[in-house]
Amino acid sequence: QVQLQQWGAGLLQPSETLSLTCTVYGGSFSAYYWTWIRQPPGKGLEWIGEINHFGSTNYNPSLKSRVTISVDTSKNQFSLKMTSVTAADTAVYYCARRRAPNAFDIWGQGTMVTVSS
Amino acid sequence: DIQMTQSPSSVSASVGDRVTITCRASQDISHWLAWYQQQPGKAPKPLIYAASILQSGVPSRFSGSGSGTDFTLTISSLQPEDFATYYCQQANSFPVTFGGGTKVEIK
Repeated sequence: QVQLQQWGAGLLQPSETLSLTCTVYGGSFSAYYWTWIRQPPGKGLEWIGEINHFGSTNYNPSLKSRVTISVDTSKNQFSLKMTSVTAADTAVYYCARRRAPNAFDIWGQGTMVTVSS
Repeated sequence: DIQMTQSPSSVSASVGDRVTITCRASQDISHWLAWYQQQPGKAPKPLIYAASILQSGVPSRFSGSGSGTDFTLTISSLQPEDFATYYCQQANSFPVTFGGGTKVEIK
């Protein structure tokens, strides 16, 4: 059974860099795209971007200038870095698996990230 | 970006009721649509992909239909565990986008 376990710092100050990592347990790592999605408190879902095991990425243009998604295939892990965070980046961040046909079928538990001075 | 518009934003219903949620895309997405259920404080749970195909383990009271720009999620007989927020997601092109959500509340 595939599980995603994510972790990272939950409290940041404005202008700092957000850093989260997600480990994939079980199943194939190479057959899918691995995704980051966020959800501000009380609001809807926003797709951030994704990566495959080759390191090929797709990003949301609205965040692309501040976001880097990377992969470590030796550890079945992928990571999110977001620079210059502001209060608008306060959200629950989820990692997820995208499988054909482009639906997210497995999700991590979510990490609440708060940006506050 | 493809805009996804859900309606209604909330609906009050009773156990046993039939509930229908609509999702409209700003352009043709063929059948590349998924639906998710989210309970408070939990990650979204996948329900349907490719507009009408149930994810493994999802009860048959859930069904999806539509193609092009107009889609529906139907719960045929609402159960207590179905009170939640539902999101549609277009899978046709990047960036992936979600609808604003429909909250199904107890009447």
